[in-house]
Amino acid sequence: GAVVSQHPSWVICKSGTSVKIECRSLDFQATTMFWYRQFPKQSLMLMATSNEGSKATYEQGVEKDKFLINHASLTLSTLTVTSAHPEDSSFYICSASALNVLTFGAGSRLTVL
Amino acid sequence: QKEVEQDPGPLSVPEGAIVSLNCTYSNSAFQYFMWYRQYSRKGPELLMYTYSSGNKEDGRFTAQVDKSSKYISLFIRDSQPSDSATYLCALGQDGQNFVFGPGTRLSVLP
Repeated sequence: GAVVSQHPSWVICKSGTSVKIECRSLDFQATTMFWYRQFPKQSLMLMATSNEGSKATYEQGVEKDKFLINHASLTLSTLTVTSAHPEDSSFYICSASALNVLTFGAGSRLTVL
Repeated sequence: QKEVEQDPGPLSVPEGAIVSLNCTYSNSAFQYFMWYRQYSRKGPELLMYTYSSGNKEDGRFTAQVDKSSKYISLFIRDSQPSDSATYLCALGQDGQNFVFGPGTRLSVLP
């Protein structure tokens, strides 16, 4: 089946620094990938849709300059949290669509000190 | 009206029980139906998917779709403590648009 790899699984950074999270489709090509944010005991919140070779589409209320998304190839999308602050601490999850079914990465837990 | 409604739970059952998880949706354009299991601090794991009305069985899991009623269900037979997780229903339209239910937290007590 389709496999999506997400890295790192856990990252701690200082306030003001930037953090990059990678999402790779290992055995299929993904023209579209999705990025979610999840707070404890809450549902997935779609942040943006990442399209290969074009600009990402951000959901209302998501800061484009804060959460930079790049989808440079058919197997890789990256999310960069710029100038991170403690309120950016959260669980970030990517997913990709293959044959109309979504496959998720394992998630990345970001803690900003 | 939300696009997808899901029984909120939490749901606690004894080991060995049959569990029924349910979602309703409003947009008949959805053609693909998925169930995910999410353990704490992990990404959702695909359990079942289908794109037609009727039942689909995989081991202890059965996914049921009724497109006319816009109702989908996931049944878990002989539930185990390891089934304790949050279960998410998801609907897809064209490989680009997906919506999720809020999730039902299930606890299976030994």
